Amino acid sequence: NAGVMQNPRHLVRRRGQEARLRCSPMKGHSHVYWYRQLPEEGLKFMVYLQKENIIDESGMPKERFSAEFPKEGPSILRIQQVVRGDSAAYFCASSPQGDVGKLFFGSGTQLSVL
Amino acid sequence: AQSVTQLGSHVSVSEGALVLLRCNYSSSVPPYLFWYVQYPNQGLQLLLKYTTGATLVKGINGFEAEFKKSETSFHLTKPSAHMSDAAEYFCAVSEKTSYDKVIFGPGTSLSVIP
Repeated sequence: NAGVMQNPRHLVRRRGQEARLRCSPMKGHSHVYWYRQLPEEGLKFMVYLQKENIIDESGMPKERFSAEFPKEGPSILRIQQVVRGDSAAYFCASSPQGDVGKLFFGSGTQLSVL
Repeated sequence: AQSVTQLGSHVSVSEGALVLLRCNYSSSVPPYLFWYVQYPNQGLQLLLKYTTGATLVKGINGFEAEFKKSETSFHLTKPSAHMSDAAEYFCAVSEKTSYDKVIFGPGTSLSVIP
């Protein structure tokens, strides 16, 4: 039973480019969360999605960031016109419905903006 | 709003010594509390969780934590540290609403000295 799959593991972008981060949840999980981790900081909640629905995007920056979880395929976190401050590790987690707080994490995508 | 504080961003213990990682939370309703561990270059793994019932919770790898409502604390302990325990530890809180939004603390890096 494969775990949460994130790709790419490392992504390098120049300022102004777009970054697309992908996350495939565990089989049977319909809830996806995205977190951002900066050095010396904890994980900051960004967005919570279910299939075809954004449930809570209170942690997402108002501009340049978007997320989706289509009916088919992985969840995508998209960052347009990246800036150096976007450099961070981005983690995706999935959970089965009903098991409070039991998140299964992917290995993360390390985004570096040059 | 929920929040989590972890006293001590870095903790060092000798192999075989007691491990104590501190966590305090704030929550407007009875919380669900969690400890997660992150090994280098990996995603987070759930160590243990408290939802209701017994306030002393046992987790994997010999760790346990005690929920103390009067102190708003959920400290993590292990009687005897092992080299393999060296990792980053995150305390987290969740308020059961219509979904499981988990808020993480800043983390404590545990070093184990041979």
